[in-house]
Amino acid sequence: GDSVTQMEGPVTLSEEAFLTINCTYTATGYPSLFWYVQYPGEGLQLLLKATKADDKGSNKGFEATYRKETTSFHLEKGSVQVSDSAVYFCALSDRDSNYQLIWGAGTKLIIKP
Amino acid sequence: EAGVAQSPRYKIIEKRQSVAFWCNPISGHATLYWYQQILGQGPKLLIQFQNNGVVDDSQLPKDRFSAERLKGVDSTLKIQPAKLEDSAVYLCASTPLTGATQYFGPGTRLLVL
Repeated sequence: GDSVTQMEGPVTLSEEAFLTINCTYTATGYPSLFWYVQYPGEGLQLLLKATKADDKGSNKGFEATYRKETTSFHLEKGSVQVSDSAVYFCALSDRDSNYQLIWGAGTKLIIKP
Repeated sequence: EAGVAQSPRYKIIEKRQSVAFWCNPISGHATLYWYQQILGQGPKLLIQFQNNGVVDDSQLPKDRFSAERLKGVDSTLKIQPAKLEDSAVYLCASTPLTGATQYFGPGTRLLVL
């Protein structure tokens, strides 16, 4: 079945550092890919998404490109801020999963000033 | 546009007691999901509604959990009786139709003592 694998955390960076959080997926169909963010004590917020190969999702300085050849959707940001500290979840949905979200385990990001 | 509303935000109960959570999805969203998120893990789907019908409740522990969406709008999730392992955040999400992006509420944090 479909699955999502994320790099384990926590990831600790200094402010203004470059961020990459790796995400790879396994799917038999053509999934849509998502990054959700969860700030401490809050629910999940959609950060960005991509619905087909080579699409780039972007929001709040974060970017991720749908790479079908490597089955990846890595999250990147050029210069992180303390306020980016949160847990980041990679997820997919497709027809084979009845469009239910298949989640990665989450990566906790800690940004130090 | 108002987001997904959930209440209460926090609940503390003793084991074997009952508890109910309420969710009001975004107006016009036909599909509603309930998730359980245990600390440090990704969300686990409990039940999916399409209007007032159940699409998938395969992961709902039906001996103690129940959910309804009688008029196809707001929904309630009940646990009776609660166990210690039910301590988690209960998230509600909605979409305008199956396959579209899911939008999450702030969640209800349940602590079972």
